[in-house]
Amino acid sequence: GEDVEQSLFLSVREGDSSVINCTYTDSSSTYLYWYKQEPGAGLQLLTYIFSNMDMKQDQRLTVLLNKKDKHLSLRIADTQTGDSAIYFCAYDTGRRALTFGSGTRLQVQP
Amino acid sequence: SQTIHQWPATLVQPVGSPLSLECTVEGTSNPNLYWYRQAAGRGLQLLFYSVGIGQISSEVPQNLSASRPQDRQFILSSKKLLLSDSGFYLCAWSPRVEETQYFGPGTRLLVL
Repeated sequence: GEDVEQSLFLSVREGDSSVINCTYTDSSSTYLYWYKQEPGAGLQLLTYIFSNMDMKQDQRLTVLLNKKDKHLSLRIADTQTGDSAIYFCAYDTGRRALTFGSGTRLQVQP
Repeated sequence: SQTIHQWPATLVQPVGSPLSLECTVEGTSNPNLYWYRQAAGRGLQLLFYSVGIGQISSEVPQNLSASRPQDRQFILSSKKLLLSDSGFYLCAWSPRVEETQYFGPGTRLLVL
């Protein structure tokens, strides 16, 4: 299977919480990342978590890491229409490159 | 602060024509530099990375090449474009001592 797997699509209502999930295969990662890509634009680093942490909170964003299950999630509280984008999970393997998932398209309905 | 630039923003080229995409980074020295391609509706594929001037590593075989003539300049080239080269090309940089990568605005390439 793929090194990093994400569901393709998530639709939520404005004001609800969004949870985007990611599973990965490589257990040697040092950091795991969440990037956001708005239509026609480059990738914006949202947040990252060190592999010896299990949770990181940054304003409306909460990252949860389950190393045993190799599962990473991004929770966006009080989701806004401006949060509509593609969200990529990625990890580093120490090879000077990141491995990305295929992205989850988040659609926020007013 | 550091910034990363890519140009052109959009490019339409005929099959068989050459290609040159440029990426420059400001506000840092000795960065690691990367070229990624994003095909429509898909994730990112790493094409090349560079840890220094003249040092290029290729991740996938293809008809593209990369060069790093200066510390903060990374160029993606092709002698003859294929239809399958269409996509969104993203340049990224990271500091030497960590892997967090910061992306440019991207170049959208359409090969007809």
